[in-house]
This record gives sequence, structure tokens and C-alpha cells, in this order.
Amino acid sequence: NAGVMQNPRHLVRRRGQEARLRCSPMKGHSHVYWYRQLPEEGLKFMVYLQKENIIDESGMPKERFSAEFPKEGPSILRIQQVVRGDSAAYFCASSLTKEDYNQPQHFGDGTRLSIL
Amino acid sequence: ILNVEQSPQSLHVQEGDSTNFTCSFPSSNFYALHWYRWETAKSPEALFVMTLNGDEKKKGRISATLNTKEGYSYLYIKGSQPEDSATYLCAFSYTGANSKLTFGKGITLSVRP
Repeated sequence: NAGVMQNPRHLVRRRGQEARLRCSPMKGHSHVYWYRQLPEEGLKFMVYLQKENIIDESGMPKERFSAEFPKEGPSILRIQQVVRGDSAAYFCASSLTKEDYNQPQHFGDGTRLSIL
Repeated sequence: ILNVEQSPQSLHVQEGDSTNFTCSFPSSNFYALHWYRWETAKSPEALFVMTLNGDEKKKGRISATLNTKEGYSYLYIKGSQPEDSATYLCAFSYTGANSKLTFGKGITLSVRP
């Protein structure tokens, strides 16, 4: 059973470009979470999505960042007009159900975003 | 602001030593406490999810306890082995935002052979 798949593993962008990070949850999981790890910081929650719905985006920066989880295909975290401060590791996690929050979140290997 | 504190920040032990880590979290509106093990260049691996005060969970040589009234959890590793070297993260969630995990910065364990 494949785990959470993130791609690309490494992404380099110049300031002002767009970054698209993809996440395919574990098979059967319909809940996706995005976290960011800035240098020397811990993992910080960004957004929680279910298929076609954003449930909690309280950790998302107000501008330039957006996330989606369409009916078909992976979840996408999109960063427009990237700046140096967006350089970080972005992790996706998925879980099985919403009713039982005793379920752990299963993490992908992350995407390391570097802004030149 | 909800903070999760982990201590110590790093730990260097000899193979065979037993270790324990502390995770402190806000005790109000507690929902669940998660422990993860994170090896370099890999993804965080779920160890335990605990929800009840007094919970104790065990997985091989690793065990964890939970005190929701005072807001702390301990992680114990009995007889540390070099393969236990990793960063150990705790994260908590609270009622009203059950799915949102707030992580500590982690404790980096290094076990010398």
C-alpha cells in the first residue's frame, strides 16, 4: 500500500515565479493536510482539505497561497509570486476518517522549495 | 497562542541507556496527543495517538504516558539502540480544531554504539 506521495522532492524557483506542490494521499484516505517547516522551526499547520472542500485554512498566509483537493487527482498547494521567505520544506499528510480523530496523520517525504 | 514545548532539545546517549522525553501542551480543550519519529531524509512516522488521561501505550522498547490534567506526556525508550537515533516530535490537537496538529520543535536523539 503506497504511502503519501509528494512531488517534486525538490523545487527551485526564482522570485516572482509560481510554485506548485503535489500530494497524493494514501489509498482510501480522503483527508489531506499541508504543513510547512521553515528553517530552524517546527512543523506548522497550513490547511486541511477534504475532497473538493477546504475545511480549515487558518494557517495559510492570506495572500499568494492557495490549496485545492479536486474530486480527481492530487491535492495541490500553489504559491504565486514566490519570495525568498517561502523557502521551506512543505509536508503533506493524510488520514482515513474525520469521525475518529484518534487516527494518526500519515506524512509524505516533503517538497523542499528553494527560492533564488 | 498554543505552544507545545519539548525537552530536552537534544540528547546524546550511549547504546543501552534508557531515555525519556517530555512534551508539554495546553491542558484546556485537549483532544489528542500524537508522537512521531522522524529520521533524517524520511517522513515522520506515527508512533502513538493518545486521548485519555492516564493513557499508556507501548510499541516494542518505546512507550508513552499521558497526563491531560497537567498537560504533559512522557516518551520512554528502554535500552536505546543506534537505530533509535532520530527526531521525536509531539503534537496535540484541541476540541474545535480536532484535525489541526500543533507540533513541538522536536527532540533529537543520538545513540552512540
